Amino acid sequence: DIQMTQSPSSLSASVGDRVTITCRASQHISNWLAWYQQKPGRAPQLLIYAASYLPAGVPSRFSGSGSGTDFTLTISSLQPEDFATYYCQQSTAFPRTFGQGTRLEI
Amino acid sequence: EMQLLESGGGLVQPGGSLRLSCAASGFTFSSFGMSWVRQVPGRGLEWVSGISASGGATYYADSGKGRFTISRDNSKATLNFQMNSLRVEDTAVYYCVKEGDGHPPHWGLGTLVTVSS
Repeated sequence: DIQMTQSPSSLSASVGDRVTITCRASQHISNWLAWYQQKPGRAPQLLIYAASYLPAGVPSRFSGSGSGTDFTLTISSLQPEDFATYYCQQSTAFPRTFGQGTRLEI
Repeated sequence: EMQLLESGGGLVQPGGSLRLSCAASGFTFSSFGMSWVRQVPGRGLEWVSGISASGGATYYADSGKGRFTISRDNSKATLNFQMNSLRVEDTAVYYCVKEGDGHPPHWGLGTLVTVSS
């Protein structure tokens, strides 16, 4: 199975900060990586797919980069609504696997 | 608008069975692989099972092999998930997920399965 390792597991930041979360795959996954945001009691919301593509409706302060094994999610200027938990997921092979999550706190 | 609506969750005793369904709309269901992902309250996301667009290939996490069966009815745009021999540790919110396959993936709102005596 492909292991997905996120770092950090938690992060304290302030409104307006630039934040970067990293995700490392245990083997090459090309660009088959998605990033999700999840708030308590809600379903995960897609932020980035195919490593760097922003779905319609996602604010442009979110961006993704990387290919192969190393990926990053960047929030350019944190907004109050961005405080949540973030997950990466690979979709190059079954079983699909997720990172353990990064909790972004004030 | 793309929608995935899960149903069938509820309370079941250990050893019991439950069948989840996911009604899809707003996209060509038969063109996309589908998956089930679960989340124990307060914990991370766990992929449980997947199925190819045609239904000809199915995949399972070790946690559900031999107990869970995924299937689909492309004529009805419905994804199904039969869960047998349920355990307390299967308690979770179960999400129906449209695979990306080069397009944005999409998730349903989830249905809660509680396994308890």
